[in-house]
Amino acid sequence: DADVTQTPRNRITKTGKRIMLECSQTKGHDRMYWYRQDPGLGLRLIYYSFDVKDINKGEISDGYSVSRQAQAKFSLSLESAIPNQTALYFCATSDIIAYTQYFGPGTRLTVL
Amino acid sequence: GENVEQHPSTLSVQEGDSAVIKCTYSDSASNFFPWYKQELGKRPQLIIDIRSNVGEKKDQRIAVTLNKTAKHFSLHITETQPEDSAVYFCAASIPPDSWGKLQFGAGTQVVVTP
Repeated sequence: DADVTQTPRNRITKTGKRIMLECSQTKGHDRMYWYRQDPGLGLRLIYYSFDVKDINKGEISDGYSVSRQAQAKFSLSLESAIPNQTALYFCATSDIIAYTQYFGPGTRLTVL
Repeated sequence: GENVEQHPSTLSVQEGDSAVIKCTYSDSASNFFPWYKQELGKRPQLIIDIRSNVGEKKDQRIAVTLNKTAKHFSLHITETQPEDSAVYFCAASIPPDSWGKLQFGAGTQVVVTP
């Protein structure tokens, strides 16, 4: 079945380290998103990309960067991780017809 | 920008009773309103959505209503079952590209007790 996958699923790192979270999809969707989930705050949009050459900041982009390497791949980087970036990170995809967003399994990131 | 408020934050119901979750949005140009269910340790999954040209939509035991004038929409779950226990998120599309980006509510933890 077509799916959205994320690697790694869990990561523990230290303050100041550079971290990359990867997202791949086999759904053939053009649009990809990165969200952060914190308890009581819902899902907040970090970055989104509507095609390979399109990158846009979301609600909380400070401290993050992204790369859209191909239609199927969208990576999120934390250049210098800090403890308040400890959260659950989700990648999502959507097509331009139904607009429904499909989420990956999530990456739990802990910054010590 | 778009702001979505969701209430209540927690909801406990007896099995077989109904559950109602309400969301309000701020931007009258929003036109797509999905609802997601997230079970413990799982990814959010779409359970139902409604577009601004429709007032109500049903799918078996779940229904969503939309009041564009008041800018609020609600999720109704009837005959609740233990497997309905989860966190539910509402969302609204973010203009001007209304169909691409979503603003999510903070979520409602629903607990169905047997």
